[in-house]
Amino acid sequence: DAKTTQPNSMESNEEEPVHLPCNHSTISGTDYIHWYRQLPSQGPEYVIHGLTSNVNNRMASLAIAEDRKSSTLILHRATLRDAAVYYCILRSRGRNFNKFYFGSGTKLNVKP
Amino acid sequence: NAGVMQNPRHLVRRRGQEARLRCSPMKGHSHVYWYRQLPEEGLKFMVYLQKENIIDESGMPKERFSAEFPKEGPSILRIQQVVRGDSAAYFCASSPFSAPSSYNEQFFGPGTRLTVL
Repeated sequence: DAKTTQPNSMESNEEEPVHLPCNHSTISGTDYIHWYRQLPSQGPEYVIHGLTSNVNNRMASLAIAEDRKSSTLILHRATLRDAAVYYCILRSRGRNFNKFYFGSGTKLNVKP
Repeated sequence: NAGVMQNPRHLVRRRGQEARLRCSPMKGHSHVYWYRQLPEEGLKFMVYLQKENIIDESGMPKERFSAEFPKEGPSILRIQQVVRGDSAAYFCASSPFSAPSSYNEQFFGPGTRLTVL
């Protein structure tokens, strides 16, 4: 299964944009890139996903490199409620599609 | 529309006892997944079930752990003869279908935190 690499932690100031990177150099052509986040003492929640094109939703934007070997989750204006662990996950079509592989993620700290 | 429900939220057991963790999926969801999270680590896949069927249990320890999702009622993760190493947060997720669609997200419950004394 393709692996992802993320920084252990990042820090941001409230109201400023945050760029969370993810490297996935062994991604295959049919792997989807998903982002989930886990707030303290809660289960993970879906943030965004994409395949090849950049994606936007009400929570965040996802920028995918042209060669798909990396991606960046963008929070346009961080709030204190965005402090969480962010996981970048590759989902492969096929029999392992429903098995999420969570790495260690990036712990985002938002300073007021 | 209630989300995924798990109970109990906290469970304390002594070594050798049994632990039963329950998960009620979102309404209309027939696929359930169990994950385990050790402190300071990411979630690890354990098992994937549909109603009355185990689809993938490749992440389940070979002994003491079992899971079921009966036709009626919640999914149950059962741990027999618990040991201290079983202390972790156990999360359940559900989805409406399993086809590899990009919209097939998993919705997670709040987790059960198991402590083995």
